[in-house]
Amino acid sequence: ETGVTQTPRHLVMGMTNKKSLKCEQHLGHNAMYWYKQSAKKPLELMFVYNFKEQTENNSVPSRFSPECPNSSHLFLHLHTLQPEDSALYLCASSQDLLRGDRGYGYTFGSGTRLTVV
Amino acid sequence: SQQGEEDPQALSIQEGENATMNCSYKTSINNLQWYRQNSGRGLVHLILIRSNEREKHSGRLRVTLDTSKKSSSLLITASRAADTASYFCATIPLKGGGFKTIFGAGTRLFVKA
Repeated sequence: ETGVTQTPRHLVMGMTNKKSLKCEQHLGHNAMYWYKQSAKKPLELMFVYNFKEQTENNSVPSRFSPECPNSSHLFLHLHTLQPEDSALYLCASSQDLLRGDRGYGYTFGSGTRLTVV
Repeated sequence: SQQGEEDPQALSIQEGENATMNCSYKTSINNLQWYRQNSGRGLVHLILIRSNEREKHSGRLRVTLDTSKKSSSLLITASRAADTASYFCATIPLKGGGFKTIFGAGTRLFVKA
């Protein structure tokens, strides 16, 4: 385990369903991220939270709604998704926003494999 | 091409051989990182090299950085079957802040026992 826990590991949902992905870290990190990984494509940054405040929304459709109640927990609420939203959703954390001169790197969770049917 | 583009896309070698993966990028960077991802899992941070460094070692890993060519290479020596994974480079542009880290599409390495 890396210290970043994601649940569930796998999720199959219909296009009309509402579900949530959960991410939890107890590393004392202050920044948390959601990434989307589709087959044969680079990781796509979706959202960034720093000290519970959203600092980045990378033009993500509103059917994805993040929530960060505290520095240790991050949620991604899903509703009315499309089949093309099927992907591996990765949560990551870092000590703080990853400034170049710090470079501690990200700690990733194992991801949630989402299938939209 | 995209920032942080790995080459080759896939690599198959025999156990014991060395594996070399390359990463090219476009804009000036602060640092470059390499990550590894086992199938269907999260990424694991391997090594970071700063823009003022040319070479860095960590165990069987050797990373080089050539800022004049905007490229980096990751060498895995004496590969093992357990090294089978996808390897990604990630760059942090000099401008724009840390949360602009850009990942490439990765190199899939398969090490045959």
